Amino acid sequence: EAQVTQNPRYLITVTGKKLTVTCSQNMNHEYMSWYRQDPGLGLRQIYYSMNVEVTDKGDVPEGYKVSRKEKRNFPLILESPSPNQTSLYFCASSAEGLAGVDTQYFGPGTRLTVL
Amino acid sequence: KQEVTQIPAALSVPEGENLVLNCSFTDSAIYNLQWFRQDPGKGLTSLLLIQSSQREQTSGRLNASLDKSSGRSTLYIAASQPGDSATYLCAVRRGTTDSWGKFQFGAGTQVVVTP
Repeated sequence: EAQVTQNPRYLITVTGKKLTVTCSQNMNHEYMSWYRQDPGLGLRQIYYSMNVEVTDKGDVPEGYKVSRKEKRNFPLILESPSPNQTSLYFCASSAEGLAGVDTQYFGPGTRLTVL
Repeated sequence: KQEVTQIPAALSVPEGENLVLNCSFTDSAIYNLQWFRQDPGKGLTSLLLIQSSQREQTSGRLNASLDKSSGRSTLYIAASQPGDSATYLCAVRRGTTDSWGKFQFGAGTQVVVTP
Protein backbone atom coordinates (compact mmCIF):
# COMPACT_ATOMS: atom_id res chain seq x y z
CA GLU A 1 0.00 0.00 0.00
CA ALA A 2 1.31 3.43 -1.00
CA GLN A 3 1.74 5.51 2.11
CA VAL A 4 3.59 8.16 4.07
CA THR A 5 4.30 7.20 7.67
CA GLN A 6 5.27 9.44 10.57
CA ASN A 7 6.54 8.58 14.02
CA PRO A 8 5.68 9.26 16.69
CA ARG A 9 2.04 10.20 16.23
CA TYR A 10 1.90 11.95 19.60
CA LEU A 11 4.72 13.45 21.62
CA ILE A 12 4.86 15.51 24.79
CA THR A 13 8.28 16.89 25.67
CA VAL A 14 9.94 19.67 27.60
CA THR A 15 11.68 22.82 26.46
CA GLY A 16 15.20 22.25 25.18
CA LYS A 17 15.11 18.47 24.84
CA LYS A 18 16.18 17.53 21.32
CA LEU A 19 13.73 15.43 19.35
CA THR A 20 13.33 13.90 15.90
CA VAL A 21 10.12 13.17 14.04
CA THR A 22 10.60 10.57 11.34
CA CYS A 23 8.91 10.50 7.95
CA SER A 24 9.09 7.68 5.44
CA GLN A 25 7.41 7.08 2.08
CA ASN A 26 7.28 3.91 -0.01
CA MET A 27 6.40 5.45 -3.38
CA ASN A 28 9.93 6.33 -4.55
CA HIS A 29 8.94 10.01 -4.59
CA GLU A 30 11.58 12.62 -5.24
CA TYR A 31 9.84 15.45 -3.39
CA MET A 32 9.19 15.54 0.35
CA SER A 33 8.04 18.34 2.60
CA TRP A 34 7.24 19.19 6.22
CA TYR A 35 4.35 21.39 7.33
CA ARG A 36 2.96 22.60 10.62
CA GLN A 37 -0.73 23.27 11.14
CA ASP A 38 -1.97 25.76 13.70
CA PRO A 39 -5.55 26.93 14.33
CA GLY A 40 -6.43 29.93 12.21
CA LEU A 41 -3.10 29.83 10.35
CA GLY A 42 -3.59 26.76 8.18
CA LEU A 43 -0.64 24.72 6.99
CA ARG A 44 2.71 26.43 6.74
CA GLN A 45 5.69 24.88 5.02
CA ILE A 46 8.79 24.33 7.15
CA TYR A 47 11.31 22.65 4.83
CA TYR A 48 11.19 20.71 1.61
CA SER A 49 13.48 18.44 -0.37
CA MET A 50 13.56 18.03 -4.13
CA ASN A 51 15.72 14.89 -3.92
CA VAL A 52 18.46 13.21 -1.89
CA GLU A 53 20.85 15.78 -0.37
CA VAL A 54 18.75 18.67 -1.77
CA THR A 55 16.80 20.62 0.84
CA ASP A 56 15.51 24.17 1.11
CA LYS A 57 13.62 26.38 3.50
CA GLY A 58 9.89 26.91 3.43
CA ASP A 59 8.15 29.84 5.07
CA VAL A 60 8.75 28.95 8.74
CA PRO A 61 12.14 27.15 9.04
CA GLU A 62 13.41 28.78 12.25
CA GLY A 63 14.08 26.26 15.00
CA TYR A 64 13.97 23.23 12.69
CA LYS A 65 16.49 21.12 10.80
CA VAL A 66 16.07 18.44 8.17
CA SER A 67 18.22 15.98 6.27
CA ARG A 68 17.64 13.80 3.22
CA LYS A 69 20.24 11.06 3.11
CA GLU A 70 17.95 8.46 1.60
CA LYS A 71 15.15 8.95 -0.89
CA ARG A 72 12.49 7.39 1.31
CA ASN A 73 13.25 9.23 4.58
CA PHE A 74 13.00 12.89 5.57
CA PRO A 75 13.34 13.40 9.34
CA LEU A 76 12.44 16.67 11.07
CA ILE A 77 14.78 17.65 13.90
CA LEU A 78 14.05 20.11 16.68
CA GLU A 79 17.41 20.78 18.34
CA SER A 80 16.00 22.84 21.22
CA PRO A 81 12.20 22.76 21.19
CA SER A 82 10.25 25.69 22.59
CA PRO A 83 6.54 26.00 23.50
CA ASN A 84 5.80 27.96 20.31
CA GLN A 85 6.65 24.80 18.37
CA THR A 86 3.65 23.06 19.87
CA SER A 87 1.68 22.14 16.76
CA LEU A 88 0.39 19.43 14.45
CA TYR A 89 3.08 18.40 11.99
CA PHE A 90 2.56 16.79 8.60
CA CYS A 91 4.98 15.19 6.21
CA ALA A 92 4.12 14.92 2.51
CA SER A 93 5.66 13.49 -0.64
CA SER A 94 5.07 13.64 -4.37
CA ALA A 95 6.56 12.48 -7.63
CA GLU A 96 8.28 15.10 -9.72
CA GLY A 97 8.89 15.68 -13.37
CA LEU A 98 5.66 14.45 -14.89
CA ALA A 99 2.82 16.89 -15.42
CA GLY A 100 -0.27 15.79 -13.58
CA VAL A 101 1.58 13.29 -11.40
CA ASP A 102 2.77 15.67 -8.70
CA THR A 103 -0.10 15.16 -6.27
CA GLN A 104 1.05 15.48 -2.67
CA TYR A 105 0.42 12.51 -0.38
CA PHE A 106 0.26 13.31 3.31
CA GLY A 107 1.18 11.38 6.41
CA PRO A 108 -1.27 11.04 9.34
CA GLY A 109 0.32 13.84 11.36
CA THR A 110 2.34 14.14 14.56
CA ARG A 111 0.88 16.12 17.42
CA LEU A 112 3.70 17.71 19.38
CA THR A 113 3.35 19.45 22.73
CA VAL A 114 6.34 21.30 24.19
CA LEU A 115 5.98 22.20 27.87
CA LYS B 1 4.82 36.82 -1.09
CA GLN B 2 1.96 34.56 -2.13
CA GLU B 3 -1.16 34.84 0.03
CA VAL B 4 -3.92 32.24 -0.23
CA THR B 5 -7.36 33.00 1.18
CA GLN B 6 -10.42 30.80 1.56
CA ILE B 7 -13.80 32.35 2.21
CA PRO B 8 -16.01 31.48 3.99
CA ALA B 9 -14.20 29.89 6.91
CA ALA B 10 -17.24 27.73 7.64
CA LEU B 11 -20.31 26.64 5.72
CA SER B 12 -23.39 24.61 6.60
CA VAL B 13 -25.78 23.28 3.97
CA PRO B 14 -28.65 20.76 3.89
CA GLU B 15 -28.07 17.46 2.17
CA GLY B 16 -28.59 17.62 -1.59
CA GLU B 17 -27.51 21.20 -2.06
CA ASN B 18 -24.52 22.02 -4.22
CA LEU B 19 -21.41 23.26 -2.44
CA VAL B 20 -19.29 26.13 -3.77
CA LEU B 21 -15.93 26.71 -2.10
CA ASN B 22 -13.67 29.59 -2.99
CA CYS B 23 -9.90 30.00 -3.00
CA SER B 24 -8.08 33.17 -3.99
CA PHE B 25 -4.35 33.82 -4.40
CA THR B 26 -2.39 37.02 -4.86
CA ASP B 27 0.40 35.96 -7.24
CA SER B 28 -0.63 34.47 -10.58
CA ALA B 29 2.82 32.88 -11.09
CA ILE B 30 1.73 29.43 -9.98
CA TYR B 31 2.69 25.95 -11.18
CA ASN B 32 -0.48 24.24 -10.02
CA LEU B 33 -3.32 24.40 -7.51
CA GLN B 34 -4.54 21.47 -5.48
CA TRP B 35 -7.68 20.90 -3.43
CA PHE B 36 -7.54 18.70 -0.33
CA ARG B 37 -9.99 17.31 2.15
CA GLN B 38 -9.13 16.97 5.86
CA ASP B 39 -11.22 14.99 8.31
CA PRO B 40 -10.90 15.70 12.05
CA GLY B 41 -7.72 14.19 13.48
CA LYS B 42 -6.62 12.93 10.09
CA GLY B 43 -4.15 13.87 7.39
CA LEU B 44 -4.98 15.50 4.09
CA THR B 45 -6.42 13.66 1.11
CA SER B 46 -5.93 15.05 -2.38
CA LEU B 47 -9.15 15.70 -4.30
CA LEU B 48 -8.15 17.48 -7.48
CA LEU B 49 -5.00 18.99 -8.96
CA ILE B 50 -5.16 21.65 -11.67
CA GLN B 51 -2.04 22.51 -13.63
CA SER B 52 -1.52 26.21 -14.39
CA SER B 53 -2.28 25.61 -18.08
CA GLN B 54 -5.66 24.03 -17.31
CA ARG B 55 -9.00 25.71 -16.67
CA GLU B 56 -10.74 22.91 -14.77
CA GLN B 57 -10.61 19.35 -13.51
CA THR B 58 -13.44 16.98 -12.73
CA SER B 59 -13.75 13.84 -10.66
CA GLY B 60 -17.17 12.38 -10.02
CA ARG B 61 -19.28 14.95 -8.16
CA LEU B 62 -16.30 17.30 -7.83
CA ASN B 63 -15.31 20.01 -10.26
CA ALA B 64 -12.56 22.56 -9.75
CA SER B 65 -11.98 25.61 -11.91
CA LEU B 66 -8.91 27.83 -12.15
CA ASP B 67 -8.69 31.42 -13.34
CA LYS B 68 -5.03 32.42 -13.00
CA SER B 69 -5.51 35.96 -14.25
CA SER B 70 -8.00 36.78 -11.51
CA GLY B 71 -6.25 34.64 -8.91
CA ARG B 72 -9.22 32.40 -8.18
CA SER B 73 -10.17 28.77 -7.96
CA THR B 74 -13.58 27.32 -7.15
CA LEU B 75 -14.41 23.83 -5.97
CA TYR B 76 -17.94 22.65 -6.76
CA ILE B 77 -19.38 19.61 -5.03
CA ALA B 78 -22.67 18.52 -6.55
CA ALA B 79 -25.54 17.06 -4.56
CA SER B 80 -23.80 17.22 -1.18
CA GLN B 81 -24.00 14.30 1.27
CA PRO B 82 -23.35 14.12 5.03
CA GLY B 83 -20.12 12.25 4.20
CA ASP B 84 -18.85 15.41 2.50
CA SER B 85 -18.59 17.08 5.91
CA ALA B 86 -14.91 17.96 6.36
CA THR B 87 -12.48 20.84 6.05
CA TYR B 88 -11.46 21.66 2.49
CA LEU B 89 -8.11 23.29 1.80
CA CYS B 90 -6.56 24.67 -1.32
CA ALA B 91 -2.82 24.84 -1.92
CA VAL B 92 -0.86 26.76 -4.51
CA ARG B 93 2.50 25.62 -5.76
CA ARG B 94 4.68 28.55 -6.68
CA GLY B 95 5.78 28.76 -10.29
CA THR B 96 9.05 30.69 -10.19
CA THR B 97 12.39 28.90 -10.46
CA ASP B 98 13.64 30.26 -7.15
CA SER B 99 10.63 28.84 -5.26
CA TRP B 100 9.95 25.67 -7.21
CA GLY B 101 9.23 23.45 -4.23
CA LYS B 102 7.23 25.97 -2.19
CA PHE B 103 3.56 25.62 -1.39
CA GLN B 104 1.10 28.03 0.19
CA PHE B 105 -2.07 26.73 1.81
CA GLY B 106 -5.29 28.51 2.58
CA ALA B 107 -6.69 28.22 6.10
CA GLY B 108 -9.54 26.05 4.85
CA THR B 109 -13.34 26.04 4.74
CA GLN B 110 -15.08 23.84 7.30
CA VAL B 111 -18.14 22.26 5.71
CA VAL B 112 -21.07 20.64 7.50
CA VAL B 113 -23.76 18.88 5.47
CA THR B 114 -26.88 18.25 7.54
CA PRO B 115 -29.19 15.29 6.80
